[in-house]
Amino acid sequence: SQQGEEDPQALSIQEGENATMNCSYKTSINNLQWYRQNSGRGLVHLILIRSNEREKHSGRLRVTLDTSKKSSSLLITASRAADTASYFCATDEYDYKLSFGAGTTVTVRA
Amino acid sequence: EPEVTQTPSHQVTQMGQEVILRCVPISNHLYFYWYRQILGQKVEFLVSFYNNEISEKSEIFDDQFSVERPDGSNFTLKIRSTKLEDSAMYFCASSDQGEGTHEQYFGPGTRLTVT
Repeated sequence: SQQGEEDPQALSIQEGENATMNCSYKTSINNLQWYRQNSGRGLVHLILIRSNEREKHSGRLRVTLDTSKKSSSLLITASRAADTASYFCATDEYDYKLSFGAGTTVTVRA
Repeated sequence: EPEVTQTPSHQVTQMGQEVILRCVPISNHLYFYWYRQILGQKVEFLVSFYNNEISEKSEIFDDQFSVERPDGSNFTLKIRSTKLEDSAMYFCASSDQGEGTHEQYFGPGTRLTVT
């Protein structure tokens, strides 16, 4: 089944640095969405990128999508302590049921 | 900003009991979903719902599960006879057609503990 897989599993950075995480998936997708989850709480929608888009920005977030490599990246610039969370990519195959990866845990050190 | 809400935030129940998890989706959304996340595992799709019927369900969503939209605002997930392995965080989500993208917005979740 369609699944996103994030890399790395965990990332520790200093406040102010950039954080980059990657997501790979297996089959053709319609959209790819990124979510944030703070310590066992709800999933916060960050950004959606369509399969015909290559890059998208939202505030300090930049998402790229390479459908030929079946991969996406999420860049968080100028990280803050409040960015400490788990980040998940989720894909759908035109059926709108999301397949989630295992997530990247980001720790931003003050 | 509109948001998806879920109640209760935490539900403890004994094995074999019925539970109903409640969700209020974003008001102008027409597509509704339930997902679950077992502790330490991935978020898994359970079911999607549109136009008062199930549009898709996963193999997890067996006869013990049912969904309902009893009125114009609530969306519920019922587990008829809970098992220990049903212990998980259950998330409700909703989306609209929105240029065909179906951005899904999630509620804060209900933590279900089956003892």
